[in-house]
Amino acid sequence: NAGVTQTPKFQVLKTGQSMTLQCAQDMNHEYMSWYRQDPGMGLRLIHYSVGAGITDQGEVPNGYNVSRSTTEDFPLRLLSAAPSQTSVYFCASSSTTNEQFFGPGTRLTVL
Amino acid sequence: GDSVTQMEGPVTLSEEAFLTINCTYTATGYPSLFWYVQYPGEGLQLLLKATKADDKGSNKGFEATYRKETTSFHLEKGSVQVSDSAVYFCALLNYGGSQGNLIFGKGTKLSVKP
Repeated sequence: NAGVTQTPKFQVLKTGQSMTLQCAQDMNHEYMSWYRQDPGMGLRLIHYSVGAGITDQGEVPNGYNVSRSTTEDFPLRLLSAAPSQTSVYFCASSSTTNEQFFGPGTRLTVL
Repeated sequence: GDSVTQMEGPVTLSEEAFLTINCTYTATGYPSLFWYVQYPGEGLQLLLKATKADDKGSNKGFEATYRKETTSFHLEKGSVQVSDSAVYFCALLNYGGSQGNLIFGKGTKLSVKP
């Protein structure tokens, strides 16, 4: 099993550009989520999904969209990137024991 | 709302020293508590967990006991190694909320010197 995979590992955008951060898991987990990690802030929840076709907002959803068309994939979209979105983004999926498995992260810089 | 507070770092120790990282929480009901570890350049990994009061989670020489009376879940290790250098996050999961929504502390960076 590959676990939770994320692409790309690094990305540099200009203000106003759009992009999609990809996340996939092969553990058949129903629950998936996106976090951002900023220095001194810990991890903050952006969006989450409890199953295909179901998504909801977390603590910091503004500027981000998500969709969940399959159990495996949970992409995060930035429609118009802003410097405040410079961060490290982590995708996670959860087993029935609620242990969250994290991907390796995407480091995003918005100029 | 629910929250987690952990001691600020960085923490620098010599190899074989005793480690304590304090973590306290605020939550309604009976949350589950977790410690995650993040090694440089990697994602988070579950280190240990406890799901009810007085439970002790343990893994790789690390321990933490769920203390409801003091709302604490302090992480301890008797003898740290250089390979333990990482950022440690305390987190809670409250079943009163949506499934699987962890609330994290801000993290504590540990550096172990040989």
